[in-house]
Amino acid sequence: AQKITQTQPGMFVQEKEAVTLDCTYDTSDPSYGLFWYKQPSSGEMIFLIYQGSYDQQNATEGRYSLNFQKARKSANLVISASQLGDSAMYFCAMREGPTGRRALTFGSGTRLQVQP
Amino acid sequence: NAGVMQNPRHLVRRRGQEARLRCSPMKGHSHVYWYRQLPEEGLKFMVYLQKENIIDESGMPKERFSAEFPKEGPSILRIQQVVRGDSAAYFCASSPNRVPGANVLTFGAGSRLTVL
Repeated sequence: AQKITQTQPGMFVQEKEAVTLDCTYDTSDPSYGLFWYKQPSSGEMIFLIYQGSYDQQNATEGRYSLNFQKARKSANLVISASQLGDSAMYFCAMREGPTGRRALTFGSGTRLQVQP
Repeated sequence: NAGVMQNPRHLVRRRGQEARLRCSPMKGHSHVYWYRQLPEEGLKFMVYLQKENIIDESGMPKERFSAEFPKEGPSILRIQQVVRGDSAAYFCASSPNRVPGANVLTFGAGSRLTVL
């Protein structure tokens, strides 16, 4: 079974609008972490936001927020007030287990295009 | 405070040659991860190393691929007798090992291998 599922291969959003990128995950481990990364056309991987499985509140970082619904096993990324520079691939990832001894598993990504 | 340094950024090899990719982690990071990304796909985990130890190599092909992270110097991903299917971007990432902690992976810019 897929550990991380991103069902939207591509998304379009108008500049200044908000957009939600979907991510569902599958784990039986009670302790895990969820991450979102951005990959612009230049190719580098940029960390955006992190949510721990025991965190009581949804994570926020500037215009990024993570809509964490534990019972549904979803960790959607919300980008508010989209900008042209937000056009990129977005990857959801998960680390299972409480310590740093596990690697991240990545989803297949969503390509976001922000239109003027 | 330099980030994760990967070199070379671009490497061209003919079938049957060897490719060596190097990665210097961020200062203070003791864990190194290698991922492979095929065009238009997500990142696939290959191997996870600490200094002088391979922690998890479950994602690495059993033949032709090897990785090391010596006590001194960078981590090396080595691909022997390259084939066209090895053409991909190879990303290195590093993280600290704080328990508990998010242990966010910081990625290098990637090494793009082209096999002719």
